[in-house]
Amino acid sequence: QVQLVQSGAEVKKPGASVKVSCKASGYTFTVYHMYWVRQAPGQGLEFLGWINPNSGGTDYAQKFQDRVTMTRDTSISTAYMELSRLRSDDTAVYYCAREVGINAFDFWGQGTMITVSS
Amino acid sequence: DIQLTQSPSFLSASVGDRVTITCRASQGISNCLAWYQQNPGKAPKLLIYAASTLQNGVPSRFSGSGSGTEFTLTISSLQPEDFAAYYCQQLFNYPRTFGQGTKVEIK
Repeated sequence: QVQLVQSGAEVKKPGASVKVSCKASGYTFTVYHMYWVRQAPGQGLEFLGWINPNSGGTDYAQKFQDRVTMTRDTSISTAYMELSRLRSDDTAVYYCAREVGINAFDFWGQGTMITVSS
Repeated sequence: DIQLTQSPSFLSASVGDRVTITCRASQGISNCLAWYQQNPGKAPKLLIYAASTLQNGVPSRFSGSGSGTEFTLTISSLQPEDFAAYYCQQLFNYPRTFGQGTKVEIK
């Protein structure tokens, strides 16, 4: 069965960087784009960007262009999202999700809580 | 970026009620719209894609309609497990924006 398993919660200081992993199983990792979405406490869903696991090509939301980097390691079917120069308003749950040909995000990771605090 | 506006933001209803949530897009998106349900502390769950197609395993009391700029999600008879937040998402172009969400609460 399809699973996306994310790395655990982290606490970071302002100005630091964080790298979240998303390990895929149950399907061919390189076939579907992987997206990253975040949700601040009590807030809605915010799109960060996506990576094409086959080519490594990426596209980031303009808001995060200069701070986010998405990569992948096809040998272990894992996608990564690194966010730099963290601020307190980056405190959120970060999700990976795959988009399939039906034009929807059909499977999501369990989420990774990132807390930015001095 | 395409903006999605959901209404209402909060909805108070009882078990058995018929509930309708609207999602309006700032420009035409054909039928490239999905609906998700999110329970507290959980990841969103896909309910409907292509505006009106029910995802496998989703109860038939959920339905979606619309095309272009106006879409609706309807729950025909609200069940206790349906009290949650609901989000629409457009997949017409990038970035894949979401509506601000609708929280369905118990009356």
